[in-house]
Amino acid sequence: KQEVTQIPAALSVPEGENLVLNCSFTDSAIYNLQWFRQDPGKGLTSLLLIQSSQREQTSGRLNASLDKSSGRSTLYIAASQPGDSATYLCAVRQGYGQNFVFGPGTRLSVLP
Amino acid sequence: EAGVAQSPRYKIIEKRQSVAFWCNPISGHATLYWYQQILGQGPKLLIQFQNNGVVDDSQLPKDRFSAERLKGVDSTLKIQPAKLEDSAVYLCASSPIGRNTGELFFGEGSRLTVL
Repeated sequence: KQEVTQIPAALSVPEGENLVLNCSFTDSAIYNLQWFRQDPGKGLTSLLLIQSSQREQTSGRLNASLDKSSGRSTLYIAASQPGDSATYLCAVRQGYGQNFVFGPGTRLSVLP
Repeated sequence: EAGVAQSPRYKIIEKRQSVAFWCNPISGHATLYWYQQILGQGPKLLIQFQNNGVVDDSQLPKDRFSAERLKGVDSTLKIQPAKLEDSAVYLCASSPIGRNTGELFFGEGSRLTVL
């Protein structure tokens, strides 16, 4: 059974710092991995989707990498801003058409 | 393109009452999911539909929860009777079918409080 963990559970950084959020999964045979952002009281917003054949994806200040063999993905946020404060979740899909399994999320606070 | 629509956004009920949530996925998305998110946790799958067929309902508490997607478009999730531990946000998501996509899109969620 796939299990997804995210460390740390919470992170507080000053504005302008570059930071890395971690996602680990127990079964490396995945179809794809998706990073989401969730603001308080809101649904999840898709940030980046990495297919199993890809090593990384980039969108603006965000870069997500995938290392299937070690069961890890990282989300790199460059030059963090207070508006980046949210909970970041990763989710893994085991196979085509199957369900996504979510991690518990990392709550990020970027201080002005 | 319109996103995933959910209603109601908030609902407060007493235990043992019933409640229903509605979801309309993104147009053309064949796969629809209902997730339960308890405060401080990641979403947990309740049920997955592809068109109007159930793909996975292994984690749906079938003694009290039911869901349908009769015409393969919008969906309803019902809880009857509700328990205190059902207090959570119920998230609907949809996904297109396609080998190189499979991206998941979420609605704003329906927050349920059971008193």
